[in-house]
Amino acid sequence: ELKVEQNPLFLSMQEGKNYTIYCNYSTTSDRLYWYRQDPGKSLESLFVLLSNGAVKQEGRLMASLDTKARLSTLHITAAVHDLSATYFCAVGDTDKLIFGTGTRLQVFP
Amino acid sequence: EPEVTQTPSHQVTQMGQEVILRCVPISNHLYFYWYRQILGQKVEFLVSFYNNEISEKSEIFDDQFSVERPDGSNFTLKIRSTKLEDSAMYFCASCRYIQETQYFGPGTRLLVL
Repeated sequence: ELKVEQNPLFLSMQEGKNYTIYCNYSTTSDRLYWYRQDPGKSLESLFVLLSNGAVKQEGRLMASLDTKARLSTLHITAAVHDLSATYFCAVGDTDKLIFGTGTRLQVFP
Repeated sequence: EPEVTQTPSHQVTQMGQEVILRCVPISNHLYFYWYRQILGQKVEFLVSFYNNEISEKSEIFDDQFSVERPDGSNFTLKIRSTKLEDSAMYFCASCRYIQETQYFGPGTRLLVL
């Protein structure tokens, strides 16, 4: 059974700082997704990573995938308040997604 | 930009009652999903649907749950006899191909009393 773990579960960071969220998964997969969720809202797609070594960047967020280590990272550069949200990684398993526990990010001045 | 829509946004029901949650996936998508999220917890897969049949279902998706695509546009989730523990946010999602992003609807918040 595929298991997906994220850490940290909660991250409080100051504006302007950098940090990385980690996503580990237990069995081989060819697809890794990152989503953002604001409180009470739906899931917004951020990145889809489909191959080993894939790196994608959008604004202050950069995601990477190491399929051999079964690890994906979401790096936040120079955080701003607008990035405050919960971030989920999800791993493709047949045609469904298995989600991680989520990382709740709070960015303060 | 096309989006997944869901109705109702909120539903309150009594334990034992039947509920139907409705979704309209993006029109050229081929794969359809239901997920749920209990408050403050992670998102859990319920069922996937492709080519007019269930392709996979989780342990949560027991005999009380069913899905239908009655008219080629709507995709429904029915819970026959709701339990207190069915209270959650239910998300519909769709994608064109498995390797592509799954787009999520806004969710239906179900409260079972």
